[in-house]
Amino acid sequence: AQSVTQLGSHVSVSEGALVLLRCNYSSSVPPYLFWYVQYPNQGLQLLLKYTTGATLVKGINGFEAEFKKSETSFHLTKPSAHMSDAAEYFCAVSGNTGNQFYFGTGTSLTVIP
Amino acid sequence: GAGVSQSPSNKVTEKGKDVELRCDPISGHTALYWYRQSLGQGLEFLIYFQGNSAPDKSGLPSDRFSAERTGGSVSTLTIQRTQQEDSAVYLCASSRMRGGLTDTQYFGPGTRLTVL
Repeated sequence: AQSVTQLGSHVSVSEGALVLLRCNYSSSVPPYLFWYVQYPNQGLQLLLKYTTGATLVKGINGFEAEFKKSETSFHLTKPSAHMSDAAEYFCAVSGNTGNQFYFGTGTSLTVIP
Repeated sequence: GAGVSQSPSNKVTEKGKDVELRCDPISGHTALYWYRQSLGQGLEFLIYFQGNSAPDKSGLPSDRFSAERTGGSVSTLTIQRTQQEDSAVYLCASSRMRGGLTDTQYFGPGTRLTVL
């Protein structure tokens, strides 16, 4: 079965600093990979996704993620954190059996002024 | 086009009552998921529908929970004899298939259930 691991349930960065949120997955074949963001008291929205092609994908709000097959990773980065980036971030993978969609446990990002 | 809609947005009920939560997926999306999110927690998978296939009910926490999807579109999640631990936000998502895999899930705004 698929699994998704997000290292660090809470991450704090200073405003303007690099944001790095880690995601590793287990899969026997390249899956589809996603990052979702959930702002306080709001629903989940897609930040970015990887399906095929270029392994560096860019998303909304300056975020990007790189699919590294050899490391089975899909880490999310942003060069310079903004206060508005404070939110819960979820990594997800689409199962290679075509049914389930697996979410990580989430990482809460705090941005310190 | 219209996104995923859920109703009601908020539901307050008394312990022991039954509740029904509704989800209207995006038109043309064959896959529909229900999740539960407790305060400050991640997403807990409940049930998955894909086309006309039998649903994957492996995430339902007890036999008090059930769901159906009529005509491959609207879905209803029913919780019987609600308990206080059922209090949570219930999220619905829909997606299409792409290359044999589930593509982006689009989420509804959720139903906040409070059991008194």
